[in-house]
Amino acid sequence: EITLTQSPGTLSLSQGDRATLSCRASQSVNNGYLAWYQQKPGQAPRLLIYGASSRATGIPDRFSGSGSGTDFTLTISRLEPEDFAVYYCQQYGPSGATFGGGTTVEI
Amino acid sequence: EVQLVESGGGLVQPGRSLRLSCAASGFIFENSGMHWVRQFPGKGLEWVSGINWNSGRTGYAASVKGRFTISRDNGKNSLYLQMDSLRAEDTALYYCAKDWDYGINYPYFDSWGQGTLVTVSS
Repeated sequence: EITLTQSPGTLSLSQGDRATLSCRASQSVNNGYLAWYQQKPGQAPRLLIYGASSRATGIPDRFSGSGSGTDFTLTISRLEPEDFAVYYCQQYGPSGATFGGGTTVEI
Repeated sequence: EVQLVESGGGLVQPGRSLRLSCAASGFIFENSGMHWVRQFPGKGLEWVSGINWNSGRTGYAASVKGRFTISRDNGKNSLYLQMDSLRAEDTALYYCAKDWDYGINYPYFDSWGQGTLVTVSS
């Protein structure tokens, strides 16, 4: 089973800042099968990115994903007030899916 | 608009059973793989189980294999999770989630319900 480690655990930033979130896998993620989700308090996770770099429907272009192999990054180019939340990465394969532990982006 | 509404959660004693349901609307249910994903009180997420569009393929996390059974009724646009031999460590918020595809081979989740809380305690 692939283990995902997210860093940092918490990112303290201001509106307008650039946020860079990391997700490292214990072994190579085939074909870049990695997704990112955003979760706000009291809400379900929302899909942001799939296939490491493809934005889901309706996701603003300030969100971007990159990476391959074992190292992946979610970048938020300019933080808006609604972007302060918890972000999870997830890898997917024929045996199912595993999630990282999450990164909290806070003011 | 995709809507997924879970029900059936509650407080249950260790060793007992519970059945969760998920009512789907706003998309062609029979064309989508479906999953259960849980979120522990500490906020970690765990994929629990998935079922493809025609129930021909199912998958389970190692932590629930042999205790949980996923099923679906396309005529009722509904997904189910039968949970037997429940343990304290099964305590979590259980989400119903829609697969991006009709299968479950490479699952990521493009829509989620709001979850139903399962608490296993004596």
